[in-house]
Amino acid sequence: KQEVTQIPAALSVPEGENLVLNCSFTDSAIYNLQWFRQDPGKGLTSLLLIQSSQREQTSGRLNASLDKSSGRSTLYIAASQPGDSATYLCAGGPSGSARQLTFGSGTQLTVLP
Amino acid sequence: DAGVIQSPRHEVTEMGQEVTLRCKPISGHDYLFWYRQTMMRGLELLIYFNNNVPIDDSGMPEDRFSAKMPNASFSTLKIQPSEPRDSAVYFCASSLNSYEQYFGPGTRLTVT
Repeated sequence: KQEVTQIPAALSVPEGENLVLNCSFTDSAIYNLQWFRQDPGKGLTSLLLIQSSQREQTSGRLNASLDKSSGRSTLYIAASQPGDSATYLCAGGPSGSARQLTFGSGTQLTVLP
Repeated sequence: DAGVIQSPRHEVTEMGQEVTLRCKPISGHDYLFWYRQTMMRGLELLIYFNNNVPIDDSGMPEDRFSAKMPNASFSTLKIQPSEPRDSAVYFCASSLNSYEQYFGPGTRLTVT
């Protein structure tokens, strides 16, 4: 069964810093790795999807990488802004016959002005 | 496309009452997922459908929970009878070929 872990659980940085959020997973046979953002009391917004044949994806100031052999993914945020403050969730899947996503518990990011 | 639509956005009900949550997936998507989010357990899958057929309902907590997908554009999650421990945010998500999943805004359920 897929397990996904995110460290740290919370992170506070000053505005302008570059930062990295970490995600690890146990089943390297995943088809893709998806990063989401969740604002308080809101739904999930998909940020980046890395398919198994890819190693990274970029969107604006965000870059996500995937290393299936080590069971790790990272989300890099460049030049952080207060508007980036949110909880970031990574989710692995599908894997094997399971089609659903398995979520990590998230990293709560606070960017201080 | 309007994205995944869920209704109601908020539901407050008394213990023992029946609750029905609704979801309209993105047109053309063939997978539909129901997730529940709580502070204690995070996001967990309840059930998912492929082409309107339930594939895996192992995450449904009890027989009090049931889900249906009568057609490609509509799904319901029903809780009968509801209990306070069912209080959570329930998300519906859809995808094409089970790859990138798109989430609805969620239904915040409070059972008193």
